[in-house]
Amino acid sequence: EAQVTQNPRYLITVTGKKLTVTCSQNMNHEYMSWYRQDPGLGLRQIYYSMNVEVTDKGDVPEGYKVSRKEKRNFPLILESPSPNQTSLYFCASSTSDEQFFGPGTRLTVL
Amino acid sequence: RKEVEQDPGPFNVPEGATVAFNCTYSNSASQSFFWYRQDCRKEPKLLMSVYSSGNEDGRFTAQLNRASQYISLLIRDSKLSDSATYLCVVNNIPTFGRGTSLIVHP
Repeated sequence: EAQVTQNPRYLITVTGKKLTVTCSQNMNHEYMSWYRQDPGLGLRQIYYSMNVEVTDKGDVPEGYKVSRKEKRNFPLILESPSPNQTSLYFCASSTSDEQFFGPGTRLTVL
Repeated sequence: RKEVEQDPGPFNVPEGATVAFNCTYSNSASQSFFWYRQDCRKEPKLLMSVYSSGNEDGRFTAQLNRASQYISLLIRDSKLSDSATYLCVVNNIPTFGRGTSLIVHP
């Protein structure tokens, strides 16, 4: 089954404790991206990747890192999480016609 | 001016009503347009692409107006199950609108 998986689905952590949210797709897509979704602000792109070893900042990259060492995986790294990074995060992989989203990761930073 | 703008709603309509949403975009060079549907606490899913000539999929009709730089989504004969947030998306390195909330009531 074609899908995008994210882990963990839910995470509560404390300020400053490094964390990684994994994202994996099995559709061999070149393009992947990360979004955060906050009430009243909609979906905002954090980082995207056009292919392996190619990543670019989206609209809200501050406080985040990503890597794309292989096509299927695109982890999101928060080196020192802060409460303003409490949000719902979506990973997506895309063709030119459609984006496929993961189920979301709800992150709370205390 | 935001790149993609939508009225957040909510649009509160009775079953069977026809409802239309618009979405304006600022980049006149935009080439690709889509409508996504997002249910509460779920991931967005593609509802339909928007083609230059307009396109229809059952009760849903999408249109593009390049001169005025907006896309529209028309839903006919609304069902309770149409209640969701509808996001417009512009371009392949996509820019999302904030979404329009639709509530269909009995």
